[in-house]
Amino acid sequence: DVVMTQSPLSLPVTLGQPASISCRSSQSLVYSDGNTYLSWFQQRPGQSPRRLINKVSNRDSGVPDRFSGSGSGSDFTLKISRVEAEDVGVYYCMQGTHWPRTFGQGTKVEIK
Amino acid sequence: EVQLVESGGDLVQPGGSLRLSCAASGFTFRTYWMTWVRQAPGKGLEWVASMKQDGSEEYYVGSVRGRFTISRDNAKNSVYLQMNSLRAEDTAVYYCARGGYGYSYWGQGTQVTVSS
Repeated sequence: DVVMTQSPLSLPVTLGQPASISCRSSQSLVYSDGNTYLSWFQQRPGQSPRRLINKVSNRDSGVPDRFSGSGSGSDFTLKISRVEAEDVGVYYCMQGTHWPRTFGQGTKVEIK
Repeated sequence: EVQLVESGGDLVQPGGSLRLSCAASGFTFRTYWMTWVRQAPGKGLEWVASMKQDGSEEYYVGSVRGRFTISRDNAKNSVYLQMNSLRAEDTAVYYCARGGYGYSYWGQGTQVTVSS
């Protein structure tokens, strides 16, 4: 199985400051069709997960542009340019290239 | 508006069975893979199973293979998860999600508790 490793697992951030989460996969996530199926999800306290980013860098509809995804192969990053109070929650990366699908452990973002 | 509404969660004894349902609306159901993801108390997300649009392909996480079965009824816009031989470690909130490789919409989840 592909192991997804996120870091850090806890991320205290000052409001208005940037934040960055790393996600590394144990195998390349490039699929035979040329796409890289790496998604980022946000889970606010008490809520269902919500997808923010699909295929590495494509922001979902309604997602603020302070969220951005980048990376390639097996090394990916989610960045928040300026953290707002509503960004508190747990963030997960997930690979959709290989079966079984696998998630990272989650990164808890909190306000300092 | 896309909606996914799960139901069927309950308290069940170890070794028991349960069938979860997910009713979809607001999109052309038959054109999408459908997926179940679970989250144990205080833990992260775990992909459980996915099924192709026409039901011709299905995939499972190793820990449930042979015990859980995903199915769908495109006429009823619904996907199901039949769970047999339930174990304490299957206790979780089970989410239904749209898609096969990246889940654009999620339901609110249904709680499954396996305990004597």
